Amino acid sequence: GENVEQHPSTLSVQEGDSAVIKCTYSDSASNYFPWYKQELGKRPQLIIDIRSNVGEKKDQRIAVTLNKTAKHFSLHITETQPEDSAVYFCAATYGSSNTGKLIFGQGTTLQVKP
Amino acid sequence: NAGVMQNPRHLVRRRGQEARLRCSPMKGHSHVYWYRQLPEEGLKFMVYLQKENIIDESGMPKERFSAEFPKEGPSILRIQQVVRGDSAAYFCASSPAKRTGALGPQHFGDGTRLSIL
Repeated sequence: GENVEQHPSTLSVQEGDSAVIKCTYSDSASNYFPWYKQELGKRPQLIIDIRSNVGEKKDQRIAVTLNKTAKHFSLHITETQPEDSAVYFCAATYGSSNTGKLIFGQGTTLQVKP
Repeated sequence: NAGVMQNPRHLVRRRGQEARLRCSPMKGHSHVYWYRQLPEEGLKFMVYLQKENIIDESGMPKERFSAEFPKEGPSILRIQQVVRGDSAAYFCASSPAKRTGALGPQHFGDGTRLSIL
């Protein structure tokens, strides 16, 4: 089946703290996992992605980890800032990344308090 | 390099009318995807197209919905005889193809907010 579960649905942190969002997927053939940030009324913006041949990827304050055996992947944001406040979506390909179809999680609303 | 362009940004239709949503992919991208987003929900895949071909339409409702990506011009998502339940934000994304055969990252447009009266 095709399903991506995302937790938590809401997350509130103090500025400077870290935030972690977790996703699990059901399709063992999935091999591409992007993360999107969506501000209110705006487009989803790709912030980081990872392919199944690596376990971790980092880009400044953002990192993603992947555990293919357990079929879960996580987004880590360090030193959070108020401008990080948004809805974050994880996604996984349904099948290999050649299929084009992304299955999205339900989203996590992150609030960073100044 | 212009991003994915969608128009109109907002579209209001009465029940029973037709809605046409347009999407021009990023320059150099030959793969287009349409997603639907209901308020406070995630994005749901609808259809994946390449020029003149529908590759995967497994997320499209069987009736009233159709999509095309002609050789020239933008991709069109068409909804006939709209109903209130069609009210949503419709996002288009595009991606390049890689030499390895895998698809590149999907980049989204600003979406079309469709409201049905």
